[in-house]
Amino acid sequence: DAKTTQPPSMDCAEGRAANLPCNHSTISGNEYVYWYRQIHSQGPQYIIHGLKNNETNEMASLIITEDRKSSTLILPHATLRDTAVYYCIVRPDSLGGGGADGLTFGKGTHLIIQP
Amino acid sequence: DAGITQSPRHKVTETGTPVTLRCHQTENHRYMYWYRQDPGHGLRLIHYSYGVKDTDKGEVSDGYSVSRSKTEDFLLTLESATSSQTSVYFCATTGRQGGNSPLHFGNGTRLTVT
Repeated sequence: DAKTTQPPSMDCAEGRAANLPCNHSTISGNEYVYWYRQIHSQGPQYIIHGLKNNETNEMASLIITEDRKSSTLILPHATLRDTAVYYCIVRPDSLGGGGADGLTFGKGTHLIIQP
Repeated sequence: DAGITQSPRHKVTETGTPVTLRCHQTENHRYMYWYRQDPGHGLRLIHYSYGVKDTDKGEVSDGYSVSRSKTEDFLLTLESATSSQTSVYFCATTGRQGGNSPLHFGNGTRLTVT
């Protein structure tokens, strides 16, 4: 019962913007969209998250559609070190009182940056 | 990331032996998590902690126990290791409960049970 759908793999040329899509058509109003990446043999690395508005930080930009059913992660100037598996995750906002409050990882998109 | 250190980084052990993995954090984060990652399964939550001495089970808790006697340390114990527990184990922490507080992960412990 995956809550997100991502392409299994994508290529991008070094120096170009990498645009990674994610569909989350069943997202609820109190669920955040998160992006993580995992470089081989390392732990998942937090990239960015958002609820409704577009977000930008030093690593990437997150564009969420107005209906919130899909989003795009943008790496503005991809480098070879951005080659990784990218995970789009829908995460509920806990209402308190305990609970795992963790993340559910799917299969992600394997992004390969080509020199 | 977020001052998380996992130890050991690699361990090989025999079936039936006890094993303890340690997660140490320097961020004073209240919430800590143990995940395992296996091919074809992604990351799965084993146990989590929402404070000192407060822990609960995750999705795949059978065969594992945890302890949290200090804010900075979260221990994962395999009482009697089995080959099915061969995996990469990741610890994660966050400072607040709720979807607006990102989890940060350590670099993992690769455990092989022979």
